[in-house]
Amino acid sequence: SAVISQKPSRDICQRGTSLTIQCQVDSQVTMMFWYRQQPGQSLTLIATANQGSEATYESGFVIDKFPISRPNLTFSTLTVSNMSPEDSSIYLCSVEVWDSKYNEQFFGPGTRLTVL
Amino acid sequence: AQTVTQSQPEMSVQEAETVTLSCTYDTSESDYYLFWYKQPPSRQMILVIRQEAYKQQNATENRFSVNFQKAAKSFSLKISDSQLGDAAMYFCAPLPITGANSKLTFGKGITLSVRP
Repeated sequence: SAVISQKPSRDICQRGTSLTIQCQVDSQVTMMFWYRQQPGQSLTLIATANQGSEATYESGFVIDKFPISRPNLTFSTLTVSNMSPEDSSIYLCSVEVWDSKYNEQFFGPGTRLTVL
Repeated sequence: AQTVTQSQPEMSVQEAETVTLSCTYDTSESDYYLFWYKQPPSRQMILVIRQEAYKQQNATENRFSVNFQKAAKSFSLKISDSQLGDAAMYFCAPLPITGANSKLTFGKGITLSVRP
């Protein structure tokens, strides 16, 4: 299993500013994922972050808006840049863990972002 | 790519009764897992149950069981003896085991309420 923490847990930000969300895992993992969950909606994958390589972004998400860092196997950051009210969402990081039979994704508690 | 359909946006069940949440999916992959995740108001995503597509036997986990129909691409979740703590949003998600499509795709979710 994996225990994931995220900082901050919530924030209220002004339009045009940027926020960096941190994700810390208690074990070394290869693949980390960042999701966005708009109010009352499902989870949408923003990007996959592997240590030592550039993040891979999903359609509709670009690096300039959501730059990601992955400096080591236990940590990643997601920045939401030049924010607008449409960026108000919950942002979740998750990690993929393999054991002898399965792989499973564990999720952090999420960061609730409100943009005014 | 995968698509997931959860056609029931909301369900309600009486405490101690049984409820079934429906999910259909489409994937071009031959080897994959299927997951049900639960998201209570705390926002924490919790894995409820997993099913390997190559297994014909339906997975069970205490009060939770699935009805997996591979040919029909159907993956429903049955919750027996419903408890107040089961109230949450439930997401169905297939995960291809290998390849570029090896990432979770979530359905829109079903909000389950439990009546005391």
